[in-house]
Amino acid sequence: EDQVTQSPEALRLQEGESSSLNCSYTVSGLRGLFWYRQDPGKGPEFLFTLYSAGEEKEKERLKATLTKKESFLHITAPKPEDSATYLCAVQARLGGTSYGKLTFGQGTILTVHP
Amino acid sequence: EAEVAQSPRYKITEKSQAVAFWCDPISGHATLYWYRQILGQGPELLVQFQDESVVDDSQLPKDRFSAERLKGVDSTLKIQPAELGDSAMYLCASSFSYEQYFGPGTRLTVT
Repeated sequence: EDQVTQSPEALRLQEGESSSLNCSYTVSGLRGLFWYRQDPGKGPEFLFTLYSAGEEKEKERLKATLTKKESFLHITAPKPEDSATYLCAVQARLGGTSYGKLTFGQGTILTVHP
Repeated sequence: EAEVAQSPRYKITEKSQAVAFWCDPISGHATLYWYRQILGQGPELLVQFQDESVVDDSQLPKDRFSAERLKGVDSTLKIQPAELGDSAMYLCASSFSYEQYFGPGTRLTVT
């Protein structure tokens, strides 16, 4: 069974204080690892897809990296508007061209204080 | 920018009543997913469609939940009868390939 564990559960930062969020996973053949941002009362917003160990993706103050067992979301010089819940999910490799379900972690609640 | 549409955004219902949610995916997305998200947890898949066919409904409580996508475009998720434990956010997502794009969700409260 695919499993995703995120840490820490909650993270409080001062504006400009860089940090990292962790996502540990076990999956029977990884097709992709996904990061989403979710604001309160809204649906998850797609951020990144990582497909293989060693891959890195960047978007503004966010950088995602992937190893064979975990992924990190690095936040550089965060601003209050970066406050949200960050969700990590894995998609297992299926046969043919089927696109399977995402298995999510419980999320990390990030709060950035001005 | 194309988005996944869902309605209603909020629904309050009494237990034992029937409730239905509607989703319109991004145009051209053949795969549609319904997820349920309990407060403080990540979303969990209820059902996945490829066009009008169900691909995965292994986690759908079939005694009370049903889902359809008759013409392979929009979809409806129904709960009958609703129970207190069904209170959650119901999210619809669609995909063309690997990335799934989510709608705003329907917040269901069962009293």
